[in-house]
Amino acid sequence: QKEVEQNSGPLSVPEGAIASLNCTYSDRGSQSFFWYRQYSGKSPELIMFIYSNGDKEDGRFTAQLNKASQYVSLLIRDSQPSDSATYLCAAGVYGQNFVFGPGTRLSVLP
Amino acid sequence: ETGVTQTPRHLVMGMTNKKSLKCEQHLGHNAMYWYKQSAKKPLELMFVYSLEERVENNSVPSRFSPECPNSSHLFLHLHTLQPEDSALYLCASSQGMTGELFFGEGSRLTVL
Repeated sequence: QKEVEQNSGPLSVPEGAIASLNCTYSDRGSQSFFWYRQYSGKSPELIMFIYSNGDKEDGRFTAQLNKASQYVSLLIRDSQPSDSATYLCAAGVYGQNFVFGPGTRLSVLP
Repeated sequence: ETGVTQTPRHLVMGMTNKKSLKCEQHLGHNAMYWYKQSAKKPLELMFVYSLEERVENNSVPSRFSPECPNSSHLFLHLHTLQPEDSALYLCASSQGMTGELFFGEGSRLTVL
């Protein structure tokens, strides 16, 4: 059974620090990886995706992928209280079901 | 209207009721999904429609019945539900079956 694992948290970081969120996946055939942010009481929204090994940067967010280790991470630089949310990792292959992890709750302390 | 809209946002029903959840997407996408989100559990995919044909049904109980009359609308018909079916039901759409999903705000279902 395909699984995506995340530490449920909460992960607490002070404002301005780097938040590091991690995700591992079981299906070695996974090719596409997504990070979603879900605020309390809201629906998930896509913030980043990554297909290739290495780093991908978008503003304060950096996604990192290591297919050999089956590991994906999301770094948030200069964390803000508004970044406090649950972050969901998803992995899969185009044309097939994408599997979500349970999410990591991030709390950025002012 | 923009994005993905779901109605109703909240629904309380008894175990013998029949109700439906509605989803409409205004993004021109060709795939639509129903997900179930329960506390402390990963998002569970229930149904996928691609080009208006059902392509996935993850062993969902028959008390949940999807309907996709066109590429913009998706329904989830509910009947004789159980209390454990209480959850947030999320509709999503995408262009092609990628992982780039656009979610609606969800329908919070409570089964008494």
